Amino acid sequence: KNEVEQSPQNLTAQEGEFITINCSYSVGISALHWLQQHPGGGIVSLFMLSSGKKKHGRLIATINIQEKHSSLHITASHPRDSAVYICAVRGGSNYKLTFGKGTLLTVNP
Amino acid sequence: DVKVTQSSRYLVKRTGEKVFLECVQDMDHENMFWYRQDPGLGLRLIYFSYDVKMKEKGDIPEGYSVSREKKERFSLILESASTNQTSMYLCASSPGDRANTEAFFGQGTRLTVV
Repeated sequence: KNEVEQSPQNLTAQEGEFITINCSYSVGISALHWLQQHPGGGIVSLFMLSSGKKKHGRLIATINIQEKHSSLHITASHPRDSAVYICAVRGGSNYKLTFGKGTLLTVNP
Repeated sequence: DVKVTQSSRYLVKRTGEKVFLECVQDMDHENMFWYRQDPGLGLRLIYFSYDVKMKEKGDIPEGYSVSREKKERFSLILESASTNQTSMYLCASSPGDRANTEAFFGQGTRLTVV
C-alpha cells in the first residue's frame, strides 16, 4: 500500500509570500493529484501530474518520479488561497486514490 | 463543467437510524466513490463502483453498504447509524478505468449522529 506524506501539516504565511507544500510517496505511481478544500467546502482538483511540471495562474506543481516527490508552489499568496491542500496518488492501472492527510494553509493579509 | 452533487450539505440523525446519502454525477462517468474525511486521518475510501450494480469494498466498509442502480447515482447507506460514523462524507466520480484521469468531488455531507 502506498504511503503518502505531506509537509508541513500547517503553514501560516503573510500575503505575498511564496508558498511550498511537499508530498512524498512510497511506491511508484501512475499519477499524482493536488486538491484544494476550502473550509466547509467540497474538494476541487488543481492538478494531475505524471511527470514534469504544470502551471495554472499563480500555482505551480512539480513532480520528480525518481525521488517519489512532488511540490505545490503558490506565488504571491493571497488570503483567498487559505485552504487545505491535499496530495493524492494513483498506482499503476488502479483507479483508486491514496490521500495524504493534507496541509492547512492560512494566508494573513 | 462536471457536476457531482450530494443531496445534503448537513444531516443530523439519531443512533440506530438507517441513513441514505445520495450522490449524482452528470458526466456519464463509470467510476464513483464514497469517502469519509476525519481530522488527522484524511480521506479514506469506503466503497467504490466501476459500473452499474458493480461495487467493491474500500478500506473502511464496515457499517456501510452502497447501491448503484443507475450510472449517474451512487448511494451510501448506513444500516444502523452510530456516533462513530459522525464525519464528513465525500462522493467523487471519474471516467473509465484509465489510470490518468481526473477525479471530481461533490461538496460533501457533514453527518452528525446523536
